[in-house]
Amino acid sequence: EVQLVESGGGLVQPGGSLRLSCAASGFTLSTYWMHWVRQAPGKGLVWVSHINRDESSATYADSVKGRFTISRDNAKNTVYLQMNSLRVEDTAVYYCTRGPGGYYYDWGQGTQVTVSS
Amino acid sequence: EIVLTQSPGTLSLSPGDRATLSCRASQSLSSSSLAWYQQKPGQAPRLLIYGASSRATGIPDRFSGSGSGTDFTLTISGLEPEDYAVYYCQQYGSSPVTFGGGTKVEIK
Repeated sequence: EVQLVESGGGLVQPGGSLRLSCAASGFTLSTYWMHWVRQAPGKGLVWVSHINRDESSATYADSVKGRFTISRDNAKNTVYLQMNSLRVEDTAVYYCTRGPGGYYYDWGQGTQVTVSS
Repeated sequence: EIVLTQSPGTLSLSPGDRATLSCRASQSLSSSSLAWYQQKPGQAPRLLIYGASSRATGIPDRFSGSGSGTDFTLTISGLEPEDYAVYYCQQYGSSPVTFGGGTKVEIK
């Protein structure tokens, strides 16, 4: 059974940092591009970032470019999202997702990130 | 960036009714690269449809997708109690991937 389990969320002050983790199981992580999608309270879904299979390429939404860094450790079956210079508008549930193409077949349960003073 | 506009914002229907949800793209989508997701409160989204009309594994056949170019439709042929949720469309043919604002299907 495919499982994606996010962790690392929490409450942080504006300007602070958090590192999210996504532990993958039930499939070979190295064969999939991986993605982060977020959802602000009461709002819709927004793609944040993705990373290719061997970590040679990563892409970011304009709203997080230069502040967030996606990475992966295929040996540890884990994907990461390093979030720096956090803003109030980054408050959201962050989902780790995977899919065979640009759509997302499997989702984690999400981890809540709250940026507030 | 391709903007997806979903309508209506809210659909109030009774169990057994047919639901028709619309998703319109600001530009033509390549290769019908459109997906639909269902999200219930407190849960992660679930993939229903990809490639505009292909059902994901385990999705009941009362869910169907259609359309091409800029106009797409998700149809639920007879609403079951578990179908009341928010539905999102997503395009993945052009970077960045974008989602529509969602349609809430509520009990009438």
